[in-house]
Amino acid sequence: AQSVTQLDSQVPVFEEAPVELRCNYSSSVSVYLFWYVQYPNQGLQLLLKYLSGSTLVKGINGFEAEFNKSQTSFHLRKPSVHISDTAEYFCAVISTLSNFGNEKLTFGTGTRLTIIP
Amino acid sequence: KAGVTQTPRYLIKTRGQQVTLSCSPISGHRSVSWYQQTPGQGLQFLFEYFSETQRNKGNFPGRFSGRQFSNSRSEMNVSTLELGDSALYLCASSGGETHNEQFFGPGTRLTVL
Repeated sequence: AQSVTQLDSQVPVFEEAPVELRCNYSSSVSVYLFWYVQYPNQGLQLLLKYLSGSTLVKGINGFEAEFNKSQTSFHLRKPSVHISDTAEYFCAVISTLSNFGNEKLTFGTGTRLTIIP
Repeated sequence: KAGVTQTPRYLIKTRGQQVTLSCSPISGHRSVSWYQQTPGQGLQFLFEYFSETQRNKGNFPGRFSGRQFSNSRSEMNVSTLELGDSALYLCASSGGETHNEQFFGPGTRLTVL
């Protein structure tokens, strides 16, 4: 079984400032890691994912995340945020034992990022 | 390629009624998963279907059921609706070359009065 912890439920950040959204996970097996973004009244959109290889992964909209196996973390970062980044961000994991797209994704509780003009 | 579509987008029901939600996956995707999103419980996995078979099930009562058709379209049904079933129901499909990624639809917002 897996669990995901997003310690910050809300993060306010001034426009053009950097941001880090924290994600820690717990799992008895190896996992793949994902960050999703949800804009108001919309579904989830994949920002980036870590499957293997380089621990620094780059995603859409200028976001990146670093997988740290020893600290079981997968923090999301952006060097300069924009008003359009206001949304809710979800970290998620799935067991590497999943075949052809499944087992279930386990989500964190989400972090609401608010950009202050 | 068209994305995941869900119908209807919004639904209002009363307690005790039943509801059926529909999800059409991305063409070529054979796996469809359903999630419930509420402010209190967050995103919770309901079930997953692959080739018309339920492969995985979350911790929800038997009032929640689903099925998948031969064209991979999926439906979920909730019977005897309760106020607590009010939520955003998200469908995700996966398969093909990006089998490790789940693509989400816009969701169906269910309100139970």
